[in-house]
Amino acid sequence: KAGVTQTPRYLIKTRGQQVTLSCSPISGHRSVSWYQQTPGQGLQFLFEYFSETQRNKGNFPGRFSGRQFSNSRSEMNVSTLELGDSALYLCASSAGGVGNTIYFGEGSWLTVV
Amino acid sequence: QKEVEQDPGPLSVPEGAIVSLNCTYSNSAFQYFMWYRQYSRKGPELLMYTYSSGNKEDGRFTAQVDKSSKYISLFIRDSQPSDSATYLCAMSHPNNNAGNMLTFGGGTRLMVKP
Repeated sequence: KAGVTQTPRYLIKTRGQQVTLSCSPISGHRSVSWYQQTPGQGLQFLFEYFSETQRNKGNFPGRFSGRQFSNSRSEMNVSTLELGDSALYLCASSAGGVGNTIYFGEGSWLTVV
Repeated sequence: QKEVEQDPGPLSVPEGAIVSLNCTYSNSAFQYFMWYRQYSRKGPELLMYTYSSGNKEDGRFTAQVDKSSKYISLFIRDSQPSDSATYLCAMSHPNNNAGNMLTFGGGTRLMVKP
């Protein structure tokens, strides 16, 4: 069974640009969450989508947004990029019920210059 | 103060040693506890999952949860150089609105020397 797939794996953007990252969850999983990982702040929750609806949101500015499609695939977008947005962005997939196991993808490495 | 505290290490041990990794937390609502292993430049890999207090064993790995002390542990027996990685504890609570929102510790870097 295929795991969580994230694209692109690596990208470099210029400050002020926007970026869109994509995630395909494990087949049958309806919940997709996004996390940001930085050396200073560790892993922080961005938001979760379940059945195309945002179910939870972390403490990030409105420049960070996401969406989920009917096939459970998800995208996250960061607008007006700042140098501090350089991070590993991780997508996590689960069946969606409380306490279900959560599996991560390999992440998308974003560097903002 | 962070909700989940974890010693960042690095923790260096010889091959074959028993490793003990720990996290403390402040939110008594947490009931689901996980340990993830993350190799450099890779995504976190789920190692252990436990619900509420107690022990769970899987091969060389044992996870312990002590809710009364708000303390969780991961033990690795017969550690191998391939166990060298960052170990992340994570937890969540059963509030329906929380869905699958995990709160992570900062991670402990483990180095197992041959």
